[in-house]
Amino acid sequence: DAKTTQPPSMDCAEGRAANLPCNHSTISGNEYVYWYRQIHSQGPQYIIHGLKNNETNEMASLIITEDRKSSTLILPHATLRDTAVYYCIAFNTGGFKTIFGAGTRLFVKA
Amino acid sequence: SAVISQKPSRDICQRGTSLTIQCQVDSQVTMMFWYRQQPGQSLTLIATANQGSEATYESGFVIDKFPISRPNLTFSTLTVSNMSPEDSSIYLCSVGPGTGENEKLFFGSGTQLSVL
Repeated sequence: DAKTTQPPSMDCAEGRAANLPCNHSTISGNEYVYWYRQIHSQGPQYIIHGLKNNETNEMASLIITEDRKSSTLILPHATLRDTAVYYCIAFNTGGFKTIFGAGTRLFVKA
Repeated sequence: SAVISQKPSRDICQRGTSLTIQCQVDSQVTMMFWYRQQPGQSLTLIATANQGSEATYESGFVIDKFPISRPNLTFSTLTVSNMSPEDSSIYLCSVGPGTGENEKLFFGSGTQLSVL
């Protein structure tokens, strides 16, 4: 599984877009990029995932660079409830084993 | 999606004792995983629970300390044996239903363990 690196923490103003970067420079062609978040020691919650194309769902958007070496999770209108630790993971579906990095602690401020 | 029930949600235990954590899924899943999250840290994979065979442990984790059962496709247990204060952590069960691009991990709410 590819190693990912994320900034340890970020701040965002409530109502503004939160852009969380992730580097996965050693990602292989069959590895997807997944994003999860963990709020206050609850179980991690799935947000979004993608392989090559940009993806959007009701929670967020995922922008993957053309060379797939990095990606950005976008929360379009951050709220206080989005304060959490966000994990970027790259792994091979079918391989199942998921390795978590340190994640980014996002603070959304009023 | 998969709904995971994990029990107990929290416990306080004395050193030297053992605790068994249960993980029940509302659908049959091939793979179940157990993670540990020490205070202020990220998640660390303990083992993969395989139905019908022994669990596969990650480096630094051994069966004698963390025995795992997987009697069927919807249930697994993790036992933390001979506990010490260093075992105080959140223990999380996760499953990976779906295939291909629809595959994603789902997590239980975790078991907060404190060892005195």
